[in-house]
Amino acid sequence: SQKIEQNSEALNIQEGKTATLTCNYTNYSPAYLQWYRQDPGRGPVFLLLIRENEKEKRKERLKVTFDTTLKQSLFHITASQPADSATYLCALPNYGGSQGNLIFGKGTKLSVKP
Amino acid sequence: NAGVTQTPKFRILKIGQSMTLQCTQDMNHNYMYWYRQDPGMGLKLIYYSVGAGITDKGEVPNGYNVSRSTTEDFPLRLELAAPSQTSVYFCASSIQQGNYGYTFGSGTRLTVV
Repeated sequence: SQKIEQNSEALNIQEGKTATLTCNYTNYSPAYLQWYRQDPGRGPVFLLLIRENEKEKRKERLKVTFDTTLKQSLFHITASQPADSATYLCALPNYGGSQGNLIFGKGTKLSVKP
Repeated sequence: NAGVTQTPKFRILKIGQSMTLQCTQDMNHNYMYWYRQDPGMGLKLIYYSVGAGITDKGEVPNGYNVSRSTTEDFPLRLELAAPSQTSVYFCASSIQQGNYGYTFGSGTRLTVV
């Protein structure tokens, strides 16, 4: 099965800076990759999906890249705000391509200081 | 739309007791899922369903059972609760298995003592 690594448990940045979170996978090449936001005591909320043939996807201040050669996705939040503080999860299919249910990384906890 | 609704939000069980975690969605999604989330361990899939009457095991199904009699409801049953089942449980739904985001409920925090 697939393995996901979000290699920063926590990331602290100053308001206004760009936050960059990393998601690496180790086995099968996924057809897509998803990013979620989770606030304390709440369920994850879907943010973005990027497909294998898309190098980059944007939504407002969010940008996601997908490098199938490096087996890596980067998640950027530009002009970060304290309200962006949350845990961010990446997710992808368990068996590569579009096969299998989503498996989730352990998440990166982002703290944006004013 | 309410999305995915889970009840109860909190519950304390004694070892050996049973309970059902309720999950209902009003988006007419065929796919539904149960995940558990333990500190530092990420979300683990317990069971999933691709439609009414069809369920299948996920990564960590032992100690749990599910049913899917309607499109809307996907209850999770715990028989003979054990301390290892102390966790936060999330129900989710999606239009398809992949290529679409999942909609999660707000979770049930279960403690087994």
